Amino acid sequence: DGGITQSPKYLFRKEGQNVTLSCEQNLNHDAMYWYRQDPGQGLRLIYYSQIVNDFQKGDIAEGYSVSREKKESFPLTVTSAQKNPTAFYLCASSIRGTSNQPQHFGDGTRLSIL
Amino acid sequence: AQSVTQLGSHVSVSEGALVLLRCNYSSSVPPYLFWYVQYPNQGLQLLLKYTSAATLVKGINGFEAEFKKSETSFHLTKPSAHMSDAAEYFCAVSESNYGGSQGNLIFGKGTKLSVKP
Repeated sequence: DGGITQSPKYLFRKEGQNVTLSCEQNLNHDAMYWYRQDPGQGLRLIYYSQIVNDFQKGDIAEGYSVSREKKESFPLTVTSAQKNPTAFYLCASSIRGTSNQPQHFGDGTRLSIL
Repeated sequence: AQSVTQLGSHVSVSEGALVLLRCNYSSSVPPYLFWYVQYPNQGLQLLLKYTSAATLVKGINGFEAEFKKSETSFHLTKPSAHMSDAAEYFCAVSESNYGGSQGNLIFGKGTKLSVKP
């Protein structure tokens, strides 16, 4: 079955450490997205990529970085510059550049601070 | 700019009662609208979408939503709640700006549905 795989499911970060969250999809979608979810705040867009080797900042990109070297993969790095990284992170994908197509989501990674 | 407002962060209903979750949007162009459901510690699952074909949209698990342009609303309903419907529900509007952000979704803050036995 096609879908989106996020790993790990739980991740712990020490002070001053960078951590990378994995997102892989086999839906053959061009567009991929990273969201941060905090209780009562809905989903906020961190970064998105409409095509390989290109990505754009979302609403809350500070303290995060991404790469898009392969169509299937869109890893997110939470850097030490992100002072409040504890959250639930969701990756999604969709057909590129089409407003009427839904996004498909992975099962998320929960990041906590040690 | 588009935006989404979900009225009520928590809604509680009895099993078998009507479920009504409210969503209002603002958009300067005809919108595409979506409802998603999220169970604890999981990702979002698409319930239904409105893409201008019909104003009454039927989704999975017995849910439906009606697009009302005059009220800028897209409320989600289910005639009879089941215990398994307890989850968080998100309404979203698709960003229709051209130049790279087309297809981005703007989410409401979510409504947590509780179902009492």
